[in-house]
Amino acid sequence: ELKVEQNPLFLSMQEGKNYTIYCNYSTTSDRLYWYRQDPGKSLESLFVLLSNGAVKQEGRLMASLDTKARLSTLHITAAVHDLSATYFCAVDNGGGGADGLTFGKGTHLIIQP
Amino acid sequence: GAGVSQSPSNKVTEKGKDVELRCDPISGHTALYWYRQSLGQGLEFLIYFQGNSAPDKSGLPSDRFSAERTGGSVSTLTIQRTQQEDSAVYLCASSLARGAGEQYFGPGTRLTVT
Repeated sequence: ELKVEQNPLFLSMQEGKNYTIYCNYSTTSDRLYWYRQDPGKSLESLFVLLSNGAVKQEGRLMASLDTKARLSTLHITAAVHDLSATYFCAVDNGGGGADGLTFGKGTHLIIQP
Repeated sequence: GAGVSQSPSNKVTEKGKDVELRCDPISGHTALYWYRQSLGQGLEFLIYFQGNSAPDKSGLPSDRFSAERTGGSVSTLTIQRTQQEDSAVYLCASSLARGAGEQYFGPGTRLTVT
């Protein structure tokens, strides 16, 4: 059974600081996804990482994937209040997304002014 | 273009009643997925369709749950004899095709069973 673990599950930080969210998964996969969810809203796709060593950046967020270590990171640089949300990583259950995604429990991020 | 749409956005039902949730995927997306999000269980994958076919229904929580998709487009998730533990947000997602990677999520249906 595929397991996806995120840490931390809750993070409160100040604006301007840097931090990293970690996502470990239990089986071999070369497809990992990061999503953002605002309160009462649906999931917004942030990054799709499709190969070992993949790195993607959008604004103050950068995601990377190490398939050998079964680890992905989401790095936040110089955090701003608008980045407050819950962040989920997710991994394919089977061949190419055919069987859905297994999600981590999410990291609830609060950025204080 | 239009994203994934779901209806109703909210549904309150009495225990024991049947409910039907609807998902309209992004036009041209052949793969469709149902997930459930609850406080206790987090985000759970329920079922996926490639076209009108659902190869694996083992993710459905019980035999009270069923799903169908017709015409390769709209899908319905039906819950019979609802129980309080069915209360959750039901999310639908679609992608271009099986193995095409990114899944786009709809706004969800919040189901409350009283």
